Amino acid sequence: NAGVTQTPKFRILKIGQSMTLQCTQDMNHNYMYWYRQDPGMGLKLIYYSVGAGITDKGEVPNGYNVSRSTTEDFPLRLELAAPSQTSVYFCASSYLGTDYEQYFGPGTRLTVT
Amino acid sequence: RKEVEQDPGPFNVPEGATVAFNCTYSNSASQSFFWYRQDCRKEPKLLMSVYSSGNEDGRFTAQLNRASQYISLLIRDSKLSDSATYLCVVRHNTGTASKLTFGTGTRLQVTL
Repeated sequence: NAGVTQTPKFRILKIGQSMTLQCTQDMNHNYMYWYRQDPGMGLKLIYYSVGAGITDKGEVPNGYNVSRSTTEDFPLRLELAAPSQTSVYFCASSYLGTDYEQYFGPGTRLTVT
Repeated sequence: RKEVEQDPGPFNVPEGATVAFNCTYSNSASQSFFWYRQDCRKEPKLLMSVYSSGNEDGRFTAQLNRASQYISLLIRDSKLSDSATYLCVVRHNTGTASKLTFGTGTRLQVTL
């Protein structure tokens, strides 16, 4: 099993550009999550999904969108990138809910200039 | 007050030392507790769950004190490979969903 994979690993965006961060898991997990981690801060939940076709907002959803058309994939879309979105983005999955171990992908380091 | 507070460290300890990290949480309705480990520029990985009666996994011992809203992680006989940031994570329900709150982490550096 590859676990949770994310692409790209690094990206530099100009202000106003858009991009999609890809996330795929091969563990047949129902729950998937997107977090961002800023220096000196705890991970913050952006969006989560409890199954294909179902998504919901986390703590910091503004400026982001998600979709979940399959169990495996959970892409995160950034529209009109802003410097405040400079961060490390982690995708995670868990078998059921938040009481279960979350498996994280390796992260995407995004810089918006 | 932050929902989950940890001493950021760094804790610099020699190999073989015993080190303890503390974590406090503000929501008394919190239900589950975890320690995750995050190596530099890597993703977090679950180290252990924390049970009410306390639990041990090899050199690692986790304790929970619900009355004081306090969680601890003890590492005995520290190894160089234990150098990492340790994240305290707390779960509580928010109406229809449950939420994980991550602490900012305590950095441990084990030296020769």
